[in-house]
Amino acid sequence: TQLLEQSPQFLSIQEGENLTVYCNSSSVFSSLQWYRQEPGEGPVLLVTVVTGGEVKKLKRLTFQFGDARKDSSLHITAAQPGDTGLYLCALWAAGNKLTFGGGTRVLVKP
Amino acid sequence: DVKVTQSSRYLVKRTGEKVFLECVQDMDHENMFWYRQDPGLGLRLIYFSYDVKMKEKGDIPEGYSVSREKKERFSLILESASTNQTSMYLCASSLGGGPNTGELFFGEGSRLTVL
Repeated sequence: TQLLEQSPQFLSIQEGENLTVYCNSSSVFSSLQWYRQEPGEGPVLLVTVVTGGEVKKLKRLTFQFGDARKDSSLHITAAQPGDTGLYLCALWAAGNKLTFGGGTRVLVKP
Repeated sequence: DVKVTQSSRYLVKRTGEKVFLECVQDMDHENMFWYRQDPGLGLRLIYFSYDVKMKEKGDIPEGYSVSREKKERFSLILESASTNQTSMYLCASSLGGGPNTGELFFGEGSRLTVL
């Protein structure tokens, strides 16, 4: 079983719609990162959330870290085709290892 | 501009062949990582290194080895490739420091097919 579970695995929406992806763990974690990977590229860091209850905004993307520090969500408002990609959450586990969830593949159709 | 460069974007090898995947970073980062990426499984850590000539096993090291002779270069070696090693391989680097720190910078990936 994975340390981080992401849902849904795949999401297909029309341009202009909103979407939310989730990242959950059975363990408390001290910080969490979100990456986006576009086709043919490596993942790129979007944000790091550190404090329970924290909300961070990056243009149309809103990241939330759960109060209990066991879950996080990414909400995209008015999605655009450029938001298409694989969204990955990750956390630093024991032994200085960055561990990733399975990812949510998002397709935004024009 | 920061850069992690992987030597081959696409490789096709035969079962039993020895495979070398090379990765170079130009950011003077201490830490370097090799992941493999498979659909639905996200990225799984194979090996990482926090200094020259140092290496640590990740979550799935079996069938792989690594070499870090210079700070900027981290090589992944498949001693005897098998079909279940067909995958996308991603190299990454990060600044030094303890756990819970830092951003990983990734290369574009090397897609390996083992026939």
